[in-house]
Amino acid sequence: DVVMTQSPLSLPVTLGQPASISCRSSQSLVYTNGNTYLNWFQQRPGQSPRRLIYKVSNRESGVPDRFSGSGSVTDFTLKISRVEAEDVGVYYCMQGTHWPWTFGQGTKVEIK
Amino acid sequence: EVQLVESGGGLVQPGGSLRLSCAASGFTFSSYAMNWVRQAPGKGLEWVANIKEDGSEEYYVDSVKGRFTISRDNTKNSLYLQMNSLRIEDTAVYYCARGLAHYWGQGTLVTVSS
Repeated sequence: DVVMTQSPLSLPVTLGQPASISCRSSQSLVYTNGNTYLNWFQQRPGQSPRRLIYKVSNRESGVPDRFSGSGSVTDFTLKISRVEAEDVGVYYCMQGTHWPWTFGQGTKVEIK
Repeated sequence: EVQLVESGGGLVQPGGSLRLSCAASGFTFSSYAMNWVRQAPGKGLEWVANIKEDGSEEYYVDSVKGRFTISRDNTKNSLYLQMNSLRIEDTAVYYCARGLAHYWGQGTLVTVSS
C-alpha cells in the first residue's frame, strides 16, 4: 500500500500568518493517464471532511483562494496564505492513484 | 444540491452483522463511482471500499476483504455496505463519498462492543 506521510502533525499558527503542510507518498502518484490523484481535505471540528484541492492544485468551487496546492510525483504541499479562525481543523492528504486509496495521518491546525 | 445521507449504524456485538445505506440525491447517481470511508473515534480517515458506476468492479482495503461487501442500486439511487463478522476495531463513523471523494455524507456511527 502507498504510505502517505504528513508533516507536521500539529501546526499552531498566528491569525493572518501563513501555514504549510507537507505530504509525501511512498511511491509515485502519477497515474497511467498522466494525472496525479492527490487530494487535500479539511475536517472542521464535528463536521464531515470537505475536499479543498483535487489533482494536486485544483481548488474546489467555493474554497477561498488563500488555499493552494502544489507538488509532483511524491512530494506535495498545501499552503494557507493567511490563516483565519475558520481554518481551524484537521487537514488530510489522500492519494487516489493506487488501490487501496490511502490518507495521511492528518495535520491539526490550531490558532496560537 | 448534492446530498448523501447515511443510515443503518448502531451498536452490534463482535461477530455480528450490520447493513449501512447511503441515499443519494441532487445528481445522476449512476454516473459516479461511490465509496465508503470510515473514521474511528478520535482517529484519522480510512478509505474502506469503492464501487464503479455500474457496479461492475469493487475494491476494498485489506482489513475488510471477505467481511464487507459494497453494493449499489442505481434504480433507487442508493449505496450499501454489508458488514459481517464485525470486530471491535471496525468501530467508526462510516461516511459515503461520491467519486474521488468530492462530496461526503454526514456519517453514521457503528459501534462494535459486547
